[in-house]
Amino acid sequence: RKEVEQDPGPFNVPEGATVAFNCTYSNSASQSFFWYRQDCRKEPKLLMSVYSSGNEDGRFTAQLNRASQYISLLIRDSKLSDSATYLCVVSHYTGGFKTIFGAGTRLFVKA
Amino acid sequence: DGGITQSPKYLFRKEGQNVTLSCEQNLNHDAMYWYRQDPGQGLRLIYYSQIVNDFQKGDIAEGYSVSREKKESFPLTVTSAQKNPTAFYLCASSIGQAYSNTEAFFGQGTRLTVV
Repeated sequence: RKEVEQDPGPFNVPEGATVAFNCTYSNSASQSFFWYRQDCRKEPKLLMSVYSSGNEDGRFTAQLNRASQYISLLIRDSKLSDSATYLCVVSHYTGGFKTIFGAGTRLFVKA
Repeated sequence: DGGITQSPKYLFRKEGQNVTLSCEQNLNHDAMYWYRQDPGQGLRLIYYSQIVNDFQKGDIAEGYSVSREKKESFPLTVTSAQKNPTAFYLCASSIGQAYSNTEAFFGQGTRLTVV
């Protein structure tokens, strides 16, 4: 079983739609959680951290469920510019933090 | 400005040659990572280092080697033993030590093509 698993998609949605991505992780000792965005042929960049209480940044909402070991990302009112690959990232401590990336979920937002 | 720099951006290698990809950071981060990404695929961990003079294999270390002689530098050598080296290689760094927020910062990547 992979340490971090995501639905590969692609998700094809119209502008204005709400879309949700889920991610599961296997290490119950994981301590830090993030969503990264990667545009085509570019490096990944941090979209948002995920906190236990859930957090929101504009149209983006991230949730963490430690009991079920999954995190989610909700995008409301999708824009064409949201088209990208969204990577779920989990870190745990093993004498130093190790960061594991999911394979990513591709999102296409169409006019 | 602080950041992480990879070079070269594009690299062409003949079969049977070893090549070294450079990764330098001035963020004072302890942890550094090398990932490989194939078209339409996610990131796969090749090697990582949590401290100078120490590194561990990731999921796909065969055919690769690294060194961590300085905190700022984590070069990756793609050896002739790597059977399918054509890919996009990403270097990243993070604070690493006992902090809860371990955002990883990426270089712009190196595209390696075997010709």
